[in-house]
Amino acid sequence: DAGITQSPRHKVTETGTPVTLRCHQTENHRYMYWYRQDPGHGLRLIHYSYGVKDTDKGEVSDGYSVSRSKTEDFLLTLESATSSQTSVYFCAISEGQGGGYTFGSGTRLTVV
Amino acid sequence: SQKIEQNSEALNIQEGKTATLTCNYTNYSPAYLQWYRQDPGRGPVFLLLIRENEKEKRKERLKVTFDTTLKQSLFHITASQPADSATYLCAPNQAGTALIFGKGTTLSVSS
Repeated sequence: DAGITQSPRHKVTETGTPVTLRCHQTENHRYMYWYRQDPGHGLRLIHYSYGVKDTDKGEVSDGYSVSRSKTEDFLLTLESATSSQTSVYFCAISEGQGGGYTFGSGTRLTVV
Repeated sequence: SQKIEQNSEALNIQEGKTATLTCNYTNYSPAYLQWYRQDPGRGPVFLLLIRENEKEKRKERLKVTFDTTLKQSLFHITASQPADSATYLCAPNQAGTALIFGKGTTLSVSS
């Protein structure tokens, strides 16, 4: 999607290894979010950020950490990947909390 | 805890008919409600936002209603087309919080 890029698009990693997913935006939006999407569960919020160095936990934050050192970048780290973290991860941005979100194209992560 | 239910996982209709999708929520009072469209392998795309003091909102062939008494939103697509086939997600939201989404309804429009 225009203005928001996720990398990598696909990744296969081994159990126990650290993994970092990157979300980059060019819209200068204040809010950034990480969701995971799984069959039967829909989209679930992992972490979100409301400014540089300001982050908060979502519904399924265990096993994940985030960092936002610049407005444009929001990193999601799996410290020690597990098979239960196999999922499609979406990043989203919004100008404020009362408006629509713009989502990235997603990262498909497989933990073997 | 907050709960969001979208009426059914799948809805099949014929081209030209009106598709109606339902979103029910419990245990909270959202200040506004958003609808998104998601195509396979893609991220969700924002369609419409309706606030708690608005009963209805329209955008081209889309119409959304928001009934805070029934705790329900209806999403209508009139004159549906095969290109409308997708999964539609609702997100009733409290002010000042990140969006929580329903699991979605997959709409299939056959020609």
